[in-house]
Amino acid sequence: NAGVTQTPKFRILKIGQSMTLQCTQDMNHNYMYWYRQDPGMGLKLIYYSVGAGITDKGEVPNGYNVSRSTTEDFPLRLELAAPSQTSVYFCASSYHRDRNQPQHFGDGTRLSIL
Amino acid sequence: GQQLNQSPQSMFIQEGEDVSMNCTSSSIFNTWLWYKQDPGEGPVLLIALYKAGELTSNGRLTAQFGITRKDSFLNISASIPSDVGIYFCAGQANSGGSNYKLTFGKGTLLTVNP
Repeated sequence: NAGVTQTPKFRILKIGQSMTLQCTQDMNHNYMYWYRQDPGMGLKLIYYSVGAGITDKGEVPNGYNVSRSTTEDFPLRLELAAPSQTSVYFCASSYHRDRNQPQHFGDGTRLSIL
Repeated sequence: GQQLNQSPQSMFIQEGEDVSMNCTSSSIFNTWLWYKQDPGEGPVLLIALYKAGELTSNGRLTAQFGITRKDSFLNISASIPSDVGIYFCAGQANSGGSNYKLTFGKGTLLTVNP
Protein backbone atom coordinates (compact mmCIF):
# COMPACT_ATOMS: atom_id res chain seq x y z
CA ASN A 1 0.00 0.00 0.00
CA ALA A 2 1.21 3.48 -0.85
CA GLY A 3 -1.05 5.04 1.81
CA VAL A 4 -1.90 8.69 1.17
CA THR A 5 -0.15 10.19 -1.87
CA GLN A 6 -0.03 13.93 -2.53
CA THR A 7 1.14 15.70 -5.66
CA PRO A 8 2.92 17.95 -6.35
CA LYS A 9 5.42 18.08 -3.47
CA PHE A 10 6.36 21.69 -4.16
CA ARG A 11 4.79 24.51 -6.16
CA ILE A 12 5.26 28.23 -6.60
CA LEU A 13 2.28 30.24 -7.83
CA LYS A 14 1.76 33.86 -8.77
CA ILE A 15 -1.00 35.84 -7.10
CA GLY A 16 -4.29 35.20 -8.87
CA GLN A 17 -3.29 31.89 -10.45
CA SER A 18 -5.26 28.74 -9.80
CA MET A 19 -4.16 25.19 -9.16
CA THR A 20 -5.33 21.83 -7.89
CA LEU A 21 -3.55 19.86 -5.20
CA GLN A 22 -4.04 16.17 -5.74
CA CYS A 23 -4.60 13.56 -3.05
CA THR A 24 -5.26 9.87 -3.44
CA GLN A 25 -5.40 7.00 -0.96
CA ASP A 26 -5.39 3.25 -1.54
CA MET A 27 -6.57 2.12 1.88
CA ASN A 28 -10.29 2.20 1.03
CA HIS A 29 -10.82 4.84 3.69
CA ASN A 30 -14.21 6.51 3.62
CA TYR A 31 -13.18 9.78 5.29
CA MET A 32 -10.67 12.23 3.81
CA TYR A 33 -9.41 15.61 4.99
CA TRP A 34 -7.37 18.62 3.91
CA TYR A 35 -5.29 20.58 6.42
CA ARG A 36 -2.90 23.49 6.20
CA GLN A 37 0.09 23.90 8.46
CA ASP A 38 1.66 27.29 9.05
CA PRO A 39 5.03 27.77 10.81
CA GLY A 40 4.85 27.11 14.55
CA MET A 41 1.22 26.13 14.36
CA GLY A 42 -0.70 22.93 14.45
CA LEU A 43 -2.83 21.73 11.58
CA LYS A 44 -5.99 23.59 10.64
CA LEU A 45 -8.80 21.72 8.89
CA ILE A 46 -9.81 23.21 5.53
CA TYR A 47 -12.36 20.74 4.17
CA TYR A 48 -13.35 17.17 4.79
CA SER A 49 -15.38 14.42 3.16
CA VAL A 50 -17.23 11.50 4.72
CA GLY A 51 -17.64 9.66 1.45
CA ALA A 52 -17.84 10.00 -2.32
CA GLY A 53 -20.10 12.89 -3.29
CA ILE A 54 -20.13 14.42 0.21
CA THR A 55 -17.93 17.31 1.33
CA ASP A 56 -18.12 19.90 4.08
CA LYS A 57 -16.25 22.93 5.36
CA GLY A 58 -13.70 22.76 8.10
CA GLU A 59 -12.21 25.54 10.20
CA VAL A 60 -10.54 27.60 7.41
CA PRO A 61 -12.37 26.93 4.09
CA ASN A 62 -12.27 30.40 2.51
CA GLY A 63 -10.40 30.50 -0.79
CA TYR A 64 -10.58 26.74 -1.35
CA ASN A 65 -12.87 24.21 -2.97
CA VAL A 66 -12.95 20.42 -2.97
CA SER A 67 -14.70 17.57 -4.70
CA ARG A 68 -14.97 13.86 -3.96
CA SER A 69 -16.09 11.95 -7.04
CA THR A 70 -14.42 8.70 -5.98
CA THR A 71 -13.49 7.06 -2.68
CA GLU A 72 -9.80 7.28 -3.54
CA ASP A 73 -9.39 10.90 -4.65
CA PHE A 74 -9.95 14.20 -2.85
CA PRO A 75 -8.47 17.15 -4.79
CA LEU A 76 -8.17 20.63 -3.27
CA ARG A 77 -8.65 23.61 -5.59
CA LEU A 78 -7.29 27.14 -5.17
CA GLU A 79 -9.11 29.44 -7.59
CA LEU A 80 -7.40 32.79 -7.02
CA ALA A 81 -4.15 32.26 -5.15
CA ALA A 82 -3.33 34.81 -2.45
CA PRO A 83 -0.12 35.26 -0.39
CA SER A 84 -2.06 34.20 2.73
CA GLN A 85 -2.39 30.75 1.18
CA THR A 86 1.35 30.15 1.32
CA SER A 87 1.52 27.09 3.54
CA VAL A 88 2.14 23.38 3.70
CA TYR A 89 -0.96 21.39 2.81
CA PHE A 90 -1.61 17.91 4.14
CA CYS A 91 -4.18 15.44 3.02
CA ALA A 92 -5.31 12.71 5.41
CA SER A 93 -7.70 9.78 5.41
CA SER A 94 -9.31 7.51 7.96
CA TYR A 95 -11.80 4.68 8.24
CA HIS A 96 -14.94 5.12 10.32
CA ARG A 97 -17.39 2.47 11.27
CA ASP A 98 -18.28 1.88 14.89
CA ARG A 99 -15.24 3.68 16.25
CA ASN A 100 -13.16 6.43 14.77
CA GLN A 101 -9.82 5.25 13.50
CA PRO A 102 -6.78 7.56 13.48
CA GLN A 103 -6.09 9.73 10.48
CA HIS A 104 -3.18 8.84 8.19
CA PHE A 105 -1.35 11.70 6.50
CA GLY A 106 0.41 12.24 3.19
CA ASP A 107 3.83 13.90 2.98
CA GLY A 108 2.44 17.32 2.14
CA THR A 109 2.50 19.88 -0.66
CA ARG A 110 4.61 22.97 -0.02
CA LEU A 111 2.96 25.91 -1.73
CA SER A 112 4.33 29.43 -2.09
CA ILE A 113 2.30 32.30 -3.50
CA LEU A 114 4.41 35.21 -4.76
CA GLY B 1 -13.73 26.50 19.33
CA GLN B 2 -11.78 23.91 21.25
CA GLN B 3 -8.28 24.87 22.32
CA LEU B 4 -5.33 22.60 22.95
CA ASN B 5 -2.33 23.82 24.91
CA GLN B 6 0.76 21.75 24.23
CA SER B 7 3.95 22.18 26.24
CA PRO B 8 6.76 22.64 26.13
CA GLN B 9 7.10 24.37 22.77
CA SER B 10 10.64 23.04 22.37
CA MET B 11 13.13 20.86 24.19
CA PHE B 12 16.89 20.40 23.87
CA ILE B 13 18.13 17.23 25.54
CA GLN B 14 21.11 14.92 25.60
CA GLU B 15 20.96 11.48 24.10
CA GLY B 16 19.83 8.97 26.71
CA GLU B 17 17.65 11.38 28.66
CA ASP B 18 13.94 10.89 29.18
CA VAL B 19 11.43 13.35 27.74
CA SER B 20 7.95 14.34 28.80
CA MET B 21 5.43 16.55 27.02
CA ASN B 22 1.75 17.17 27.59
CA CYS B 23 -1.43 18.63 26.24
CA THR B 24 -4.33 20.18 28.08
CA SER B 25 -7.72 21.10 26.76
CA SER B 26 -10.46 23.50 27.73
CA SER B 27 -13.03 20.80 26.98
CA ILE B 28 -13.41 17.05 27.04
CA PHE B 29 -12.04 14.75 24.36
CA ASN B 30 -12.98 11.11 23.80
CA THR B 31 -9.84 10.26 21.85
CA TRP B 32 -6.27 11.48 22.19
CA LEU B 33 -3.67 10.92 19.49
CA TRP B 34 0.05 11.58 19.42
CA TYR B 35 1.81 12.16 16.09
CA LYS B 36 5.44 12.76 15.13
CA GLN B 37 6.46 14.87 12.15
CA ASP B 38 9.90 14.63 10.59
CA PRO B 39 11.20 17.48 8.40
CA GLY B 40 9.59 17.46 4.97
CA GLU B 41 7.13 14.73 5.84
CA GLY B 42 3.59 14.37 7.09
CA PRO B 43 2.61 13.51 10.67
CA VAL B 44 2.92 9.84 11.55
CA LEU B 45 0.74 8.30 14.23
CA LEU B 46 2.63 7.15 17.33
CA ILE B 47 -0.06 6.26 19.86
CA ALA B 48 -3.86 6.38 19.97
CA LEU B 49 -5.78 6.54 23.28
CA TYR B 50 -9.51 5.83 23.45
CA LYS B 51 -10.36 5.55 27.14
CA ALA B 52 -9.93 7.85 30.13
CA GLY B 53 -7.06 6.59 32.29
CA GLU B 54 -5.65 4.45 29.49
CA LEU B 55 -1.87 4.04 29.51
CA THR B 56 -0.38 2.76 26.25
CA SER B 57 3.19 2.05 25.20
CA ASN B 58 4.86 1.83 21.81
CA GLY B 59 8.49 0.83 22.30
CA ARG B 60 10.20 3.61 24.25
CA LEU B 61 7.07 5.79 24.03
CA THR B 62 4.34 5.84 26.64
CA ALA B 63 1.21 7.97 26.54
CA GLN B 64 -1.69 8.38 28.92
CA PHE B 65 -5.26 9.60 28.54
CA GLY B 66 -6.00 11.79 31.56
CA ILE B 67 -8.80 10.83 33.93
CA THR B 68 -10.52 14.19 33.45
CA ARG B 69 -10.44 13.64 29.64
CA LYS B 70 -8.93 17.11 29.32
CA ASP B 71 -5.28 16.15 29.18
CA SER B 72 -2.74 13.68 27.88
CA PHE B 73 0.99 13.22 28.17
CA LEU B 74 3.68 11.54 26.13
CA ASN B 75 6.92 10.20 27.58
CA ILE B 76 9.97 9.11 25.62
CA SER B 77 12.53 7.09 27.51
CA ALA B 78 16.26 6.85 26.73
CA SER B 79 16.10 9.30 23.82
CA ILE B 80 18.14 8.70 20.67
CA PRO B 81 19.07 11.08 17.82
CA SER B 82 16.30 9.79 15.54
CA ASP B 83 13.72 10.99 18.08
CA VAL B 84 14.33 14.49 16.72
CA GLY B 85 11.19 16.00 15.24
CA ILE B 86 7.97 17.78 16.08
CA TYR B 87 5.49 15.95 18.27
CA PHE B 88 1.80 16.85 18.03
CA CYS B 89 -1.07 15.94 20.25
CA ALA B 90 -4.55 15.83 18.78
CA GLY B 91 -7.91 15.47 20.43
CA GLN B 92 -11.19 14.22 19.06
CA ALA B 93 -14.46 15.24 20.69
CA ASN B 94 -16.66 12.24 19.88
CA SER B 95 -15.66 8.63 19.39
CA GLY B 96 -18.54 7.89 17.08
CA GLY B 97 -21.25 9.57 15.09
CA SER B 98 -20.22 12.36 12.77
CA ASN B 99 -17.88 14.38 14.99
CA TYR B 100 -14.51 12.98 13.93
CA LYS B 101 -12.69 16.28 13.58
CA LEU B 102 -9.28 16.56 15.18
CA THR B 103 -8.02 19.54 17.15
CA PHE B 104 -4.22 19.77 17.05
CA GLY B 105 -1.78 21.23 19.54
CA LYS B 106 0.93 23.54 18.17
CA GLY B 107 3.62 20.92 18.60
CA THR B 108 6.75 20.28 20.65
CA LEU B 109 10.05 20.55 18.79
CA LEU B 110 12.47 17.99 20.17
CA THR B 111 16.22 18.24 19.60
CA VAL B 112 18.50 15.44 20.81
CA ASN B 113 22.20 16.11 21.13
CA PRO B 114 24.29 12.98 20.54
